[in-house]
Amino acid sequence: DGGITQSPKYLFRKEGQNVTLSCEQNLNHDAMYWYRQDPGQGLRLIYYSQIVNDFQKGDIAEGYSVSREKKESFPLTVTSAQKNPTAFYLCASSIGGRDLYTEAFFGQGTRLTVV
Amino acid sequence: AQSVSQHNHHVILSEAASLELGCNYSYGGTVNLFWYVQYPGQHLQLLLKYFSGDPLVKGIKGFEAEFIKSKFSFNLRKPSVQWSDTAEYFCAVLGSGGTSYGKLTFGQGTILTVHP
Repeated sequence: DGGITQSPKYLFRKEGQNVTLSCEQNLNHDAMYWYRQDPGQGLRLIYYSQIVNDFQKGDIAEGYSVSREKKESFPLTVTSAQKNPTAFYLCASSIGGRDLYTEAFFGQGTRLTVV
Repeated sequence: AQSVSQHNHHVILSEAASLELGCNYSYGGTVNLFWYVQYPGQHLQLLLKYFSGDPLVKGIKGFEAEFIKSKFSFNLRKPSVQWSDTAEYFCAVLGSGGTSYGKLTFGQGTILTVHP
């Protein structure tokens, strides 16, 4: 069953702790994305990657880090430097590469609550 | 800088009314534009996309959008909405060159509520 898997669906962490959100895809897509979704603010791009071992900062990268060591995986770490980490996080992927002109597919999201 | 602006935060309509959701983008290169929809409790899914050619594109469920280059707009339309169209709608632009290559930027979203 092909798709994008984000885990866990709900995540609770104490303030000051780093936390890593998982995103795995078995669609053989080159491009992967991380977004944060807050009410009234739409989807804001955190990081994106067009190819393994390469990634770019999005519009709100401060306080976040990523890695892209494998094509199918793009984990996001929310660090203690992120001022307001409680949010809904969405991962997406698209074919990318030479087939840039294709749509992105989204995971179900992870709701992170920092207490 | 690449950006997308959606004018309406919340639109409320009755069934059978016509719909138009505004989307304006800012991007200096060749534009690739999308409309996505998020039904309650579901994933975001693609409604339609524009890459080139006919500026009037048709998508799923009777939706269409018109790309107007001179106005930097890509408005979404539907002649007659249904209760099942209640959802949040997002406009997006995909960078196709330079430092924005592959950067997919979304707007703030528009919540559509359709009353039976």
